Amino acid sequence: EVQLLESGGGLVQPGGSLRLSCAASGFTLRNYAMSWVRQAPGKGLDWVSAITASGDGTYYADSVKGRFTISRDSSKNTLYLQMNSLRAEDTALYYCAGGTVSEHWGQGTPVTVSS
Amino acid sequence: QSLLTQPPSVSAAPGQKVTISCSGSSSNIGNNYVSWYQQLPGTAPKVLIYEDNKRPSGIPGRFSGSKSGTSATLGITGLQTGDEADYYCGAWDSSLSAYVFGTGTKVTVL
Repeated sequence: EVQLLESGGGLVQPGGSLRLSCAASGFTLRNYAMSWVRQAPGKGLDWVSAITASGDGTYYADSVKGRFTISRDSSKNTLYLQMNSLRAEDTALYYCAGGTVSEHWGQGTPVTVSS
Repeated sequence: QSLLTQPPSVSAAPGQKVTISCSGSSSNIGNNYVSWYQQLPGTAPKVLIYEDNKRPSGIPGRFSGSKSGTSATLGITGLQTGDEADYYCGAWDSSLSAYVFGTGTKVTVL
């Protein structure tokens, strides 16, 4: 059974940093493109970033470009999202997603940016 | 502001059909595949349709997708109470080099 388990969320002050992790089981992360998608409370889905299966292509939403970095560690079968210079508007539930047609999603890890 | 526009809500009685539109542009829907996602209350999104009109295994044939020009449509037939959820379209945007989601549509079964 495929499982994606996000972790690393929490409460952080504006300007602070967090690193989110997405550990995969039953699923070889390096074989698929992977994405981070967030959802602010009561709001719609907001795509954040993606990395290609080969790992040589990374993409970011304009709202996070220059602040967030997506990466993966194939030896740990884990996807990461390094988030720096966090803002209140980054507050959301962060999901990782991937697969042939992004059919696999985790349950999300909450990030709250507040003083 | 999302580049893909959906109606905020649609509703119908059990057993009836609903359609959800998703309007975009040539940089997204017009030249890239569309996916549709279902998000039941309190759960993670699930892919219902990919590559405009294909269903992943396990998704019932009551769900269908189509596309024409810069618009896409999700159809749900034989509406069930369990279909009450938020539905989102999504597509890659070649101009932005970014994926974009629609504004979302809440489906209510009357």
